[in-house]
Amino acid sequence: GENVEQHPSTLSVQEGDSAVIKCTYSDSASNYFPWYKQELGKGPQLIIDIRSNVGEKKDQRIAVTLNKTAKHFSLHITETQPEDSAVYFCAATILSGTYKYIFGTGTRLKVLA
Amino acid sequence: GAGVSQSPSNKVTEKGKDVELRCDPISGHTALYWYRQRLGQGLEFLIYFQGNSAPDKSGLPSDRFSAERTGESVSTLTIQRTQQEDSAVYLCASSSVPGDTQYFGPGTRLTVL
Repeated sequence: GENVEQHPSTLSVQEGDSAVIKCTYSDSASNYFPWYKQELGKGPQLIIDIRSNVGEKKDQRIAVTLNKTAKHFSLHITETQPEDSAVYFCAATILSGTYKYIFGTGTRLKVLA
Repeated sequence: GAGVSQSPSNKVTEKGKDVELRCDPISGHTALYWYRQRLGQGLEFLIYFQGNSAPDKSGLPSDRFSAERTGESVSTLTIQRTQQEDSAVYLCASSSVPGDTQYFGPGTRLTVL
């Protein structure tokens, strides 16, 4: 079955710097890759997603890149702010059947003011 | 409109007791998912409901776990004879149709003493 690895597990950056979180997946049939942000005591919230027919997607300070050949995708946050501090999860799924997400183990991002 | 809601938000129980967790999906959402999040880990898929189709139970860890959904509304996850390893946050998500964005509830934190 699908397996998703996520690195790093923790990441500290200075406010205003960029943060990059990387994920690799094992199932080449996976074709949808969402990223979720989870704040303390809350459920995960979708922040950006990408489908396998696209190599990059950007939404203001957040971007995601996908390399299908290497089976990895990355989240890029530019001009980080203290409110970006949270746990970020990547996920992979095949858009058919159950559509269940296989999640990475999460990255705790700390933005230092 | 209202998001996914879950109750209770916290549940403390003694080993061996049964517990029932509730999820109210976003109105009109046909697909509903349950995930388990152990401390410091990613989310593990448990079960998926879609309309009146047979649920995908492939993620349930043992026969002590079961779930029901009434039509396209509320779902309950039941854990019988709870064990300490069942301690986790149980998250529910719904999507308007299979393959669409999954929206998560705030979760139920279960502690088994």
